Amino acid sequence: AQSVSQHNHHVILSEAASLELGCNYSYGGTVNLFWYVQYPGQHLQLLLKYFSGDPLVKGIKGFEAEFIKSKFSFNLRKPSVQWSDTAEYFCAVNGRGTYKYIFGTGTRLKVLA
Amino acid sequence: SQTIHQWPATLVQPVGSPLSLECTVEGTSNPNLYWYRQAAGRGLQLLFYSVGIGQISSEVPQNLSASRPQDRQFILSSKKLLLSDSGFYLCAWSEGPHTEAFFGQGTRLTVV
Repeated sequence: AQSVSQHNHHVILSEAASLELGCNYSYGGTVNLFWYVQYPGQHLQLLLKYFSGDPLVKGIKGFEAEFIKSKFSFNLRKPSVQWSDTAEYFCAVNGRGTYKYIFGTGTRLKVLA
Repeated sequence: SQTIHQWPATLVQPVGSPLSLECTVEGTSNPNLYWYRQAAGRGLQLLFYSVGIGQISSEVPQNLSASRPQDRQFILSSKKLLLSDSGFYLCAWSEGPHTEAFFGQGTRLTVV
């Protein structure tokens, strides 16, 4: 079975601070990995994705994530957050050969201006 | 381009009443379709998915059911709603392996 664990449920940062949100997954095979963002009042949007190749993937709005296979992790990072990054962030896994996208519980990020 | 439509946006229903939420996708054929429920602090819970017309996989046994009467139409139903069915329901689609899922705007269901 697939599962995703996001360790940080609520994060509060000041503008210009660096961000790292943790994500660990469980699956006994190859995976596709995703980070989604949900801004207040908006629908879920894809932030970035990893299918194969370079384990460091870059997404929209300056976000990046690194896939570390040995740690079953796919942490999200941003060097300098902005007030507009206030949102809820979800990590998701799709095990190869399955049709399911399994999501973590989400991390609510609040950036103080 | 592909779009996903989900309606209604909000719904208030009495306990014991039936439910029908509809989701349609445009601009693609034979998509994989999904229903999720989002609850605060619990993330997105996969309820059902479908890889073709009439093919439904249920992830969580509960008071809900899903149907796919047409290629790009996915319906979430209940015969008798419970208070615990309240929540935010999201429909999503994907093209298949090695693709991401795209989400609709969601339906806020309140059972009173």
